[in-house]
Amino acid sequence: SYELTQPLSVSVALGQTARITCGGNNIGSKNVHWYQQKPGQAPVLVIYRDSNRPSGIPERFSGSNSGNTATLTISRAQAGDEADYYCQVWDSSTAVVFGGGTKLTVL
Amino acid sequence: QVQLVESGGGLVKPGGSLRLSCAASGFTFSDYYMSWIRQAPGKGLEWVSYISSSGSTIYYADSVKGRFTISRDNAKNSLYLQMNSLRAEDTAVYYCARVEGDCSGGSCPFMRFDPWGQGTLVTVSS
Repeated sequence: SYELTQPLSVSVALGQTARITCGGNNIGSKNVHWYQQKPGQAPVLVIYRDSNRPSGIPERFSGSNSGNTATLTISRAQAGDEADYYCQVWDSSTAVVFGGGTKLTVL
Repeated sequence: QVQLVESGGGLVKPGGSLRLSCAASGFTFSDYYMSWIRQAPGKGLEWVSYISSSGSTIYYADSVKGRFTISRDNAKNSLYLQMNSLRAEDTAVYYCARVEGDCSGGSCPFMRFDPWGQGTLVTVSS
């Protein structure tokens, strides 16, 4: 079965750039989607198909995907960006796969 | 606006059953695949099941296969999850979500979930 690996936590200083990685075997050949989940709330899609932003998502959120690593980048991090972030792919053998999630702390 | 509202959660004993519902509005429900995703307390997201727009194609996670049944009623704009033989490890918030991304011949390489409902809590405990 296909697996996605994320760091448990990432910290970033206010106004700086945060990068959250999602590792998987040849993940660059798949379409990666990213979700933001704040405490007590449902997840929200913030990046789809590696690097596309849904309407309403700030340009500060961007994504990339190559080789064995996909990356969610949050520029000019704000306090309101503190949340858990999950990557997700569809795999022909496993169907839907989520990464374990990364807790982003803005210092 | 697009809205998904889950209901039917609650406390159930191990081995018991529960049926979750998800009422959809604000979009043409019959045009979309739909999915259930769950989150155990303090844990990450776990995909449970998805169903095609017509109901003819269904997939389950191995952890629920044979115990859970997903279904839909396009006339009622509703998605369902029948959960049988419940275990303590099924305790979670269950979200319904609309599937985005085309599927063809059972392949859904672009599949993602947007939006999600607010979730309903299922607790399996004696």
